[in-house]
Amino acid sequence: SQKIEQNSEALNIQEGKTATLTCNYTNYSPAYLQWYRQDPGRGPVFLLLIRENEKEKRKERLKVTFDTTLKQSLFHITASQPADSATYLCALDLSGGSYIPTFGRGTSLIVHP
Amino acid sequence: GAGVSQTPSNKVTEKGKYVELRCDPISGHTALYWYRQSLGQGPEFLIYFQGTGAADDSGLPNDRFFAVRPEGSVSTLKIQRTERGDSAMYLCASSPGLAGEETQYFGPGTRLLVL
Repeated sequence: SQKIEQNSEALNIQEGKTATLTCNYTNYSPAYLQWYRQDPGRGPVFLLLIRENEKEKRKERLKVTFDTTLKQSLFHITASQPADSATYLCALDLSGGSYIPTFGRGTSLIVHP
Repeated sequence: GAGVSQTPSNKVTEKGKYVELRCDPISGHTALYWYRQSLGQGPEFLIYFQGTGAADDSGLPNDRFFAVRPEGSVSTLKIQRTERGDSAMYLCASSPGLAGEETQYFGPGTRLLVL
């Protein structure tokens, strides 16, 4: 069956360090992968999208990598701040550019001052 | 509008009652999605509209759930004979609906509690 895996345990890091979150998937051939941020009681907010033919994408302090061989995406936040504390969700299409992304359960990031 | 809006923000109802949840997408967005999210889980797809028609309703859990988008803008998710297991956050998202424009813009959600 198709599956998306994100660490269920919260990631705790110190302010200023780089946070790295992982999204693994099985039995998918996604055309793209997205990362969203979600704060408690709020809707997800889009951060970055990376396509299958892209290895890496950056936006300010954020960096996403996409390895279609390993079936893995890594999401990095450099120079992390307490305001970065939130749940980060990865989402990908089932195959071939579907308009319906499937979401992982998300990983909670806690940045300590 | 400035963003996706959803009403009500919270809804408490009794088991067996009927509820309607409303979503106002971003103006001009042709694609509209409904998701359900339980605590500690990611959003679970329910239904996707492209314009007025439901392009994919494969995520609706059973026939108690129904959604409409009669004019291709506002959408209403309707739940009949609510059950306690329907309690969750219901999220709506919209997107331009064009190839290469897969970003989804989410609303704040409606938190539904069935007693």
